[in-house]
Amino acid sequence: AQSVTQLDSQVPVFEEAPVELRCNYSSSVSVYLFWYVQYPNQGLQLLLKYLSGSTLVKGINGFEAEFNKSQTSFHLRKPSVHISDTAEYFCAVSPVSGGYNKLIFGAGTRLAVHP
Amino acid sequence: NAGVTQTPKFQVLKTGQSMTLQCAQDMNHNSMYWYRQDPGMGLRLIYYSASEGTTDKGEVPNGYNVSRLNKREFSLRLESAAPSQTSVYFCASSVGPGETQYFGPGTRLLVL
Repeated sequence: AQSVTQLDSQVPVFEEAPVELRCNYSSSVSVYLFWYVQYPNQGLQLLLKYLSGSTLVKGINGFEAEFNKSQTSFHLRKPSVHISDTAEYFCAVSPVSGGYNKLIFGAGTRLAVHP
Repeated sequence: NAGVTQTPKFQVLKTGQSMTLQCAQDMNHNSMYWYRQDPGMGLRLIYYSASEGTTDKGEVPNGYNVSRLNKREFSLRLESAAPSQTSVYFCASSVGPGETQYFGPGTRLLVL
């Protein structure tokens, strides 16, 4: 079985400051890793994903994440945030085997960007 | 190309009433999913359909049934709604394993 822990439920930050949203996972099998963003009253949108290869993954809107296998982490970073980045962010994993891309989500981190 | 669409957007039910949430995708995806989102719990998988004609239980299937009507449509039915089913319901679809899941805008359900 897999589980995902997002270490911060809320992260307040000032505009143009850097931000890191932390995600740890537990799994007995290899997994794919994802970050999704949910803007208010909308569905989820994929930010980035790690399937294999380089452990540093770049996504949309200037976000990037680094896969650390030894620490079972997949932290999301952005060097300078904008007001428009205010949203809820979800880390998710999917077992490589199984065939059906079943996503297991963390509880989410609410990012609040202040002027 | 509308992506994933869900109807209705909002619904209020009384305990014991039934209803069906509709989902359709126009991306020719094989796999479709139903999730519920509750505060502090992220999204949890209710049911999924790997391909047309197949459905399987996810993490929280109790109180729900699904139908994969065709490749495009995947419906979720609440036979006898309970207050514990108050939630936001998301439908998603994907080509296959490791591929991006595309989400609909959600249905907000309140059961009184």
